[in-house]
Amino acid sequence: DVKVTQSSRYLVKRTGEKVFLECVQDMDHENMFWYRQDPGLGLRLIYFSYDVKMKEKGDIPEGYSVSREKKERFSLILESASTNQTSMYLCASSRQGRPEKLFFGSGTQLSVL
Amino acid sequence: AQSVTQLDSQVPVFEEAPVELRCNYSSSVSVYLFWYVQYPNQGLQLLLKYLSGSTLVKGINGFEAEFNKSQTSFHLRKPSVHISDTAEYFCAAQNNYGQNFVFGPGTRLSVLP
Repeated sequence: DVKVTQSSRYLVKRTGEKVFLECVQDMDHENMFWYRQDPGLGLRLIYFSYDVKMKEKGDIPEGYSVSREKKERFSLILESASTNQTSMYLCASSRQGRPEKLFFGSGTQLSVL
Repeated sequence: AQSVTQLDSQVPVFEEAPVELRCNYSSSVSVYLFWYVQYPNQGLQLLLKYLSGSTLVKGINGFEAEFNKSQTSFHLRKPSVHISDTAEYFCAAQNNYGQNFVFGPGTRLSVLP
């Protein structure tokens, strides 16, 4: 089975802290995605990557950056966390090319105080 | 870029009644359409997908969806729901380059005894 692992289930950080959310997949997928999930807004795409060292902005990239140094790992970085970044963050991966379903991690609930 | 609309944020229904969850999309290119389900405190999992061919797609747990190109819709249906179907349902679209997965805001289905 494909496994997408997010390093933390719950995180609590203070305003202004630098926050790293890590995601690792074990199926050699080319595509990796970071979404945030908020009530009433569904899943919104922050960034995605279709190859090592490649990244594309999604719909809401402001306040975030990403890093993909290895194929299996995709990190989301909050340079200076703010309270409006309190959310559930979901990582996903998929194979390149023709439509493939997304495989999701279990999510990280981030609270910024 | 594509977008996905789910007009109903919440749908309450009694057990064994039929249900339809509505999804509409817009896109300038061909898209592939998906329904995902998120049970309470769990990650997202794929219910069904439409890639091409027959417009009626059957998924897991007795769900089905019909692709209607003229109405740009992909509504999800089940003839008789169970308590265990209580969950949040997300419609999603992916462009024909195999990237840029876009989700709707979600519909919370509550099945009442």
